[in-house]
Formats: sequence, C-alpha cells, structure tokens
Amino acid sequence: AQSVTQLGSHVSVSEGALVLLRCNYSSSVPPYLFWYVQYPNQGLQLLLKYTTGATLVKGINGFEAEFKKSETSFHLTKPSAHMSDAAEYFCAVSPTGNQFYFGTGTSLTVIP
Amino acid sequence: NAGVTQTPKFQVLKTGQSMTLQCAQDMNHEYMSWYRQDPGMGLRLIHYSVGAGITDQGEVPNGYNVSRSTTEDFPLRLLSAAPSQTSVYFCASSYMDPGRAFFGQGTRLTVV
Repeated sequence: AQSVTQLGSHVSVSEGALVLLRCNYSSSVPPYLFWYVQYPNQGLQLLLKYTTGATLVKGINGFEAEFKKSETSFHLTKPSAHMSDAAEYFCAVSPTGNQFYFGTGTSLTVIP
Repeated sequence: NAGVTQTPKFQVLKTGQSMTLQCAQDMNHEYMSWYRQDPGMGLRLIHYSVGAGITDQGEVPNGYNVSRSTTEDFPLRLLSAAPSQTSVYFCASSYMDPGRAFFGQGTRLTVV
C-alpha cells in the first residue's frame, strides 16, 4: 500500500527565508517520489522527482529534495523564498511512475 | 501541441443526472488517469489506463466509469451524479519516463 503524509497544511515564510516542506511516505516497494506544484486555478506541474540514483534531487525554480530511505522522507527545500513561490505543493509516491498517490498538500504563503 | 485538454471547465449538475467529462491528449502517451481534488484531501486517483482498451480502478472508483477506445481520449462518466461528487477533476497523461505526467487544467463540477 502506498501513502504520503505531508506535515503542515499551511506554511508561511518571509521572502528570502528558507522554505522547508515535509513529506513522509510509506510504500511496500521501492517507490518513485515526486513533488508537484499547483498555482491557483491551474493543473499540477512537476517540480522534481526521485526514481533511482542520487538521493539529492534538484528541480525547477531552485527547489531540491533529498530522499532518505531510513527516515522514509522526501522533504522539499529552497534556500531563499520568492514571492512567486506562493502556491500549493503536493508530495506524491508511485509504485510504477505513472499512477500517483498524493499527500493532502501544503499551502505556502510568502510574506514580503 | 495542445497537451492535455479537458472539457468542460465548469459544470453544474442536478442529483441523478449523468454526464461525461472529456479528456484528450495529443502527445501519444500510453498512460492516462483521472483524479479528483477535494479540500484537505489532495488528489485521489479514480481510474487509470495503461493503453487503449485497458483500464483499471484507483482509490475512489465508485460512481465513475471509464473507457479507452483510442490512445488520445479517456472520458470519465458519471452515471448518476451525487452531491458527494462535487469536486475538481483532473486528467493526466504520461509516457514511459516515470513521473513526467502532464495535467489538464481541471473541470470544476458542482452537483446540487
């Protein structure tokens, strides 16, 4: 069974501060892991993904995430928040890479 | 190249009515799927397809039917709409690259 837990449904950071969005997963098989971003009234866009290989994954817009198998975590970070980062962020796990099981989402607010 | 196109964008139904949400992609993707997005619950997988003529159930399939007669199209049918089906519906497609899923803009459905 696959599931994803995102800690914190709302996160607020000041512009220029570190962004940390938490994601823990459970999976019966080695998973593919993803972060997606959703801007208001839009579909989802892929930020980054972990499939195999290097556990530190870099994505678009300066985001990165680290796969930690021992902690079953895949937290998303960005060193310096920008106003344009305000959006809803979803962590997802997939056994196959094509059917996704999403977390409940974290709404990021960036304070000027 | 339009990507993933969903129609309609908005729809209001009365309880008991039926309708079909359309999804079309022009990227020759094998995988297509339907999700519903509800506040505080993230996206949940309804049905998916790994190719023309092949469909399977996801997490929340009850009340929905799908078929896949062509690679391009993956319609979602509500046979007898219920207020619990009020949601935003997203269609997604992808090819073999794990996680590079493309999402449509969504259909906002209200059942009264």
